[in-house]
Amino acid sequence: DQQVKQNSPSLSVQEGRISILNCDYTNSMFDYFLWYKKYPAEGPTFLISISSIKDKNEDGRFTVFLNKSAKHLSLHIVPSQPGDSAVYFCAASAGRDDKIIFGKGTRLHILP
Amino acid sequence: DTEVTQTPKHLVMGMTNKKSLKCEQHMGHRAMYWYKQKAKKPPELMFVYSYEKLSINESVPSRFSPECPNSSLLNLHLHALQPEDSALYLCASSKGQGPYNEQFFGPGTRLTVL
Repeated sequence: DQQVKQNSPSLSVQEGRISILNCDYTNSMFDYFLWYKKYPAEGPTFLISISSIKDKNEDGRFTVFLNKSAKHLSLHIVPSQPGDSAVYFCAASAGRDDKIIFGKGTRLHILP
Repeated sequence: DTEVTQTPKHLVMGMTNKKSLKCEQHMGHRAMYWYKQKAKKPPELMFVYSYEKLSINESVPSRFSPECPNSSLLNLHLHALQPEDSALYLCASSKGQGPYNEQFFGPGTRLTVL
């Protein structure tokens, strides 16, 4: 029973365009959401996070949007660059000391 | 130094072997984690150590035995594993326990149990 769902296993986007990665969750107790990025043969690296008291958080080319009523969040990357090709994991947690629950990931391909 | 190192990179072991995975960080982090990731699945938390004490054990079978000898080192001792335990084992660390503390991951140890 997946509490964090990334329904698109892969996504291809032209370089320079916007990449939108989606994530849905089922647990209404989740109050903190994170995105991690993973290159092959490396561990995941933290990208950006958002608390449930916000609906948007921006860091350079990366913006995360949270829609609590729909239990949905998305990561926007604009403009997309070749180095953005990686697997992106959505993750969520409930409470300060709780564990992080990861989604299965979406593989993003940036096309030249 | 913002790196988490894991050794070995790859490990093949039989079901009767005893082996250990090692994880090291020198960032002064006081929380360390073991995750297991099977192919096409998300990383799943196994254990959390906070200030060298076991804080979370996600009902992991006893054939996996974690150890935190000091604040920089985390080991995972393996004994009598099953083929279904074959996976990528990821170590992570953070300043403190909890999701508000950014977790830094190592590259993982790819384990194959024959």
